[in-house]
Amino acid sequence: GAGVSQSPSNKVTEKGKDVELRCDPISGHTALYWYRQSLGQGLEFLIYFQGNSAPDKSGLPSDRFSAERTGGSVSTLTIQRTQQEDSAVYLCASSRQGSMNTEAFFGQGTRLTVV
Amino acid sequence: DQQVKQNSPSLSVQEGRISILNCDYTNSMFDYFLWYKKYPAEGPTFLISISSIKDKNEDGRFTVFLNKSAKHLSLHIVPSQPGDSAVYFCAASGGFKTIFGAGTRLFVKA
Repeated sequence: GAGVSQSPSNKVTEKGKDVELRCDPISGHTALYWYRQSLGQGLEFLIYFQGNSAPDKSGLPSDRFSAERTGGSVSTLTIQRTQQEDSAVYLCASSRQGSMNTEAFFGQGTRLTVV
Repeated sequence: DQQVKQNSPSLSVQEGRISILNCDYTNSMFDYFLWYKKYPAEGPTFLISISSIKDKNEDGRFTVFLNKSAKHLSLHIVPSQPGDSAVYFCAASGGFKTIFGAGTRLFVKA
């Protein structure tokens, strides 16, 4: 498809397990963002990739969270030793330029539930 | 520290009337403001934006107003339609990092 694709759409995991969330951005988009939305909250910035530059990881809430983007395309967000407070919808977005001043396209999100 | 605030969690409007969604921000360094719409089980979709050098931007039924002195922006939808029922996120951008509000759920009653 032509849009941003995220997988899985839903993930239930036990506390303490590791999870990997995947994002396929729109082809040709150089910028990729990860956000998360906890229940009743707004969208919380996590990490930003732009081309081959070092990612901005300033939004990652703890060192249990990491992300990589291989070949400037697909990105994976990894959460180690998951906790219940990690439960949220994790959203990926991509844009053509390195700024969200222009239109950014979001995926449908991955709903993570830690039990 | 909420830099972008949407103080109304929900809004209910009759079909055909005007919907006004409000947003306040605290950082005067933001230079671009955006509105996104989100349906259940879908990612947010871009709706309309405005540069900080403007005070109004209109696109069909949607108009965004920016009052920089008050650090306030609003989204007007007129006439409102049942299909407009969704969660609306206000966002402010400074460079690449975009800060989102908590969202306002709009109900448009037929």
